Amino acid sequence: EVQLVESGGGLVQPGGSLRLSCTASEFTFSYYWMSWVRQAPGKGLEWVANIKGDGTVIYYSDSVRGRFTISRDNAKNSLFLQMDSLGVGDTGVYYCARDSGDYFNDFWGQGTLVSVSS
Amino acid sequence: EIVLTQSPGTLSLSPGERATLSCRTSQSVSNTYLAWHQQKPGQAPRLLIYGASNRATGIPDRFSGSGSGTDFTLTINRLEPEDFAVYSCQLFDGSPPTYTFGQGTKLEIK
Repeated sequence: EVQLVESGGGLVQPGGSLRLSCTASEFTFSYYWMSWVRQAPGKGLEWVANIKGDGTVIYYSDSVRGRFTISRDNAKNSLFLQMDSLGVGDTGVYYCARDSGDYFNDFWGQGTLVSVSS
Repeated sequence: EIVLTQSPGTLSLSPGERATLSCRTSQSVSNTYLAWHQQKPGQAPRLLIYGASNRATGIPDRFSGSGSGTDFTLTINRLEPEDFAVYSCQLFDGSPPTYTFGQGTKLEIK
């Protein structure tokens, strides 16, 4: 069964940085686009960024472009999200998700909580 | 940007009843690009339906998806206790290849 395990969340002050990781297993990681999706408290899911299997194509939502950087290490089956200039609006649970290749996310991790507060 | 609006925000039903959840898009979209996910507290979201009407692997047949154009529906027949959760619709936008989600419908036990 596909497994995605996020880590790296925590409490950070406004303006600070955090790096999230997602470790994948039980599938050929390099074949798949991967996404980061977040959910603010009491809100719906919000797509953040995605990256092609070979890492050559990347897209960001308008809300994070220029502050967040998505990357991957296929040798380590790992996905990353470097988050800089964090604001209180970035608070939430961050999920990594596999892109099925057919226009939807088919597997998700359990998420890691990011809290931005002074 | 296409906006997804889910209704109702909260749906209160009893086990054994039928749940009907709506997802409306601000412009017409292809069925291919519409999916539904289930979320339970502390758990990973789970894909239920893709391509508007196709059940994902392992999803019970009491879950069904339908709709076209701007109106899509997730129906859950004969609600089981484990079905009480939050349900979100997801749309793939091809230019650029990104995703948009509805705000979610919370299905709670009455």
